[in-house]
Amino acid sequence: QKEVEQNSGPLSVPEGAIASLNCTYSDRVSQSFFWYRQYSGKSPELIMSIYSNGDKEDGRFTAQLNKASQYVSLLIRDSQPSDSATYLCAVLFSGNTGKLIFGQGTTLQVKP
Amino acid sequence: ETGVTQSPTHLIKTRGQQVTLRCSSQSGHNTVSWYQQALGQGPQFIFQYYREEENGRGNFPPRFSGLQFPNYSSELNVNALELDDSALYLCASSLGGGSEQFFGPGTRLTVL
Repeated sequence: QKEVEQNSGPLSVPEGAIASLNCTYSDRVSQSFFWYRQYSGKSPELIMSIYSNGDKEDGRFTAQLNKASQYVSLLIRDSQPSDSATYLCAVLFSGNTGKLIFGQGTTLQVKP
Repeated sequence: ETGVTQSPTHLIKTRGQQVTLRCSSQSGHNTVSWYQQALGQGPQFIFQYYREEENGRGNFPPRFSGLQFPNYSSELNVNALELDDSALYLCASSLGGGSEQFFGPGTRLTVL
């Protein structure tokens, strides 16, 4: 059973702080990893994809991947109240052509 | 560039009925994946269509079926609706099965 695990939260951070969201996955040979943001009542929005070990930065977002530890994280710098949402980690496992496995999501609350 | 669209937005059905949900893929994308998202959970993969062929299926019964048309739009059909089928149904399009997937706004299905 291939799994993706996230802490459901809520994770509460003050405005301007760094929010750190974590995800672990069960399949060592997975190749593609994605972070989606989902506002309440809306559909998931792709915010980051990462395929290689290390860091990938896009604006205030940094995705970090460690395949040896089977761990992927998302850092949000200078957190804003508008970042308050559920963040979904998704993994494309090896041997699949397109089946994304999602974690249950971490709810982030950014307090003004 | 036109994004992913879905119809209808909301739908109420009674147990035992049948439903058809529709999805138009993003311009230039040839692959459509369908997901079911229950409240408080991450999306669960139903199946994927690539160039009009089913290209992977999740752990859903045969009463969940679909098809893809030559213009890459897609339908999800659910027969013999059950109360547990109440969920947000998401369509995602991509260029190929293993690439980034972009979600439509979803269809909220309620089964009474």
